[in-house]
Amino acid sequence: GIQVEQSPPDLILQEGANSTLRCNFSDSVNNLQWFHQNPWGQLINLFYIPSGTKQNGRLSATTVATERYSLLYISSSQTTDSGVYFCALGAGNKLTFGGGTRVLVKP
Amino acid sequence: DTAVSQTPKYLVTQMGNDKSIKCEQNLGHDTMYWYKQDSKKFLKIMFSYNNKELIINETVPNRFSPKSPDKAHLNLHINSLELGDSAVYFCASSHRQGGTDTQYFGPGTRLTVL
Repeated sequence: GIQVEQSPPDLILQEGANSTLRCNFSDSVNNLQWFHQNPWGQLINLFYIPSGTKQNGRLSATTVATERYSLLYISSSQTTDSGVYFCALGAGNKLTFGGGTRVLVKP
Repeated sequence: DTAVSQTPKYLVTQMGNDKSIKCEQNLGHDTMYWYKQDSKKFLKIMFSYNNKELIINETVPNRFSPKSPDKAHLNLHINSLELGDSAVYFCASSHRQGGTDTQYFGPGTRLTVL
């Protein structure tokens, strides 16, 4: 089946730092989505990005479909960025989620 | 207005009981889903419905029975609850099917089976 691997599994940042999260996937992609699960459990869709680069405020994402990876960049991190970041690969009729990167931003 | 809503938010029950979780979306989407998130935060799809028709059933035990009375609602009924059913259950919706469209998630229902 489809494999979606995220790295690193855990990330501790000092407020203001920049970071890059990676998502590798095993299959060709209909779409790739990034989600943030905040400490209260809510899942928020950050990007729908089957290819190319998108930016939304301090967050940006790049997917290189031919090389089967996607990157999520967090710049000038804030404590509200804490939580778990998931990438999910869309293929066929469903999304397959990676294991997530748990991010803690310290003040 | 909440786009995807679930009730209840928390559910604590005894083994062997039957319970239901309700989901409603007001986004006008055609497709709805149920996901299960385990204690290690791993998210896995359970079911997908498109216009009230079952599209995906990911080898979920038949104690779990989804029901879609209309395309804005997808409820999940669980019979004979087991300890391993304890998890957070998320409902989601999208305009088009499965892997081809942005999915919007509800707030989750934390189920604890004692």
